[in-house]
Amino acid sequence: DTAVSQTPKYLVTQMGNDKSIKCEQNLGHDTMYWYKQDSKKFLKIMFSYNNKELIINETVPNRFSPKSPDKAHLNLHINSLELGDSAVYFCASSQDFPALAGGTDTQYFGPGTRLTVL
Amino acid sequence: LAKTTQPISMDSYEGQEVNITCSHNNIATNDYITWYQQFPSQGPRFIIQGYKTKVTNEVASLFIPADRKSSTLSLPRVSLSDTAVYYCLVGGPTTGFQKLVFGTGTRLLVSP
Repeated sequence: DTAVSQTPKYLVTQMGNDKSIKCEQNLGHDTMYWYKQDSKKFLKIMFSYNNKELIINETVPNRFSPKSPDKAHLNLHINSLELGDSAVYFCASSQDFPALAGGTDTQYFGPGTRLTVL
Repeated sequence: LAKTTQPISMDSYEGQEVNITCSHNNIATNDYITWYQQFPSQGPRFIIQGYKTKVTNEVASLFIPADRKSSTLSLPRVSLSDTAVYYCLVGGPTTGFQKLVFGTGTRLLVSP
């Protein structure tokens, strides 16, 4: 069974379009994250949700909007896609939010979604 | 911010021990040190975590000196499948989300 799954695995779209990436975890974790890994392989956090509440909102354009319908899901919607949005987007989850748990909690990552904006 | 510095790349051969050192001079008292491994086209995977001295699991060992300003990930007898990027992260309850900066990582290439 896949612990953290993302759909789609690949996404190719035109500039200006709106797209969504879905993430689901079956680990019973309280916290979910979205990361962006660019062409230089830098992995940067974008958002974190703990129990469906937004905890981290890094400096990300407001064209990116996360939605957490329940603890097991964290979707990422992107409006007006730009060339610079091309990257691999990873979803992750952990049992507790690290800053609250008194340590660093292991994060489990999904397989990634490779977004290509043409 | 507890910034980390790692070598950009390392080369090794099968069967050798590999030690990857991470510098974190500004580590806070409550910070932990965590290492992740990332294979091409996959998400990062947790390897090991420690606070001080030595931690060992079935995959690796983590050595942390008394001043905690650096740490060394030790991979015993590497194989070709250990070729990956290894990330060192530092953080805890006082530094909060800053721990979630993965940095450039160390690209390890294991050759036959």
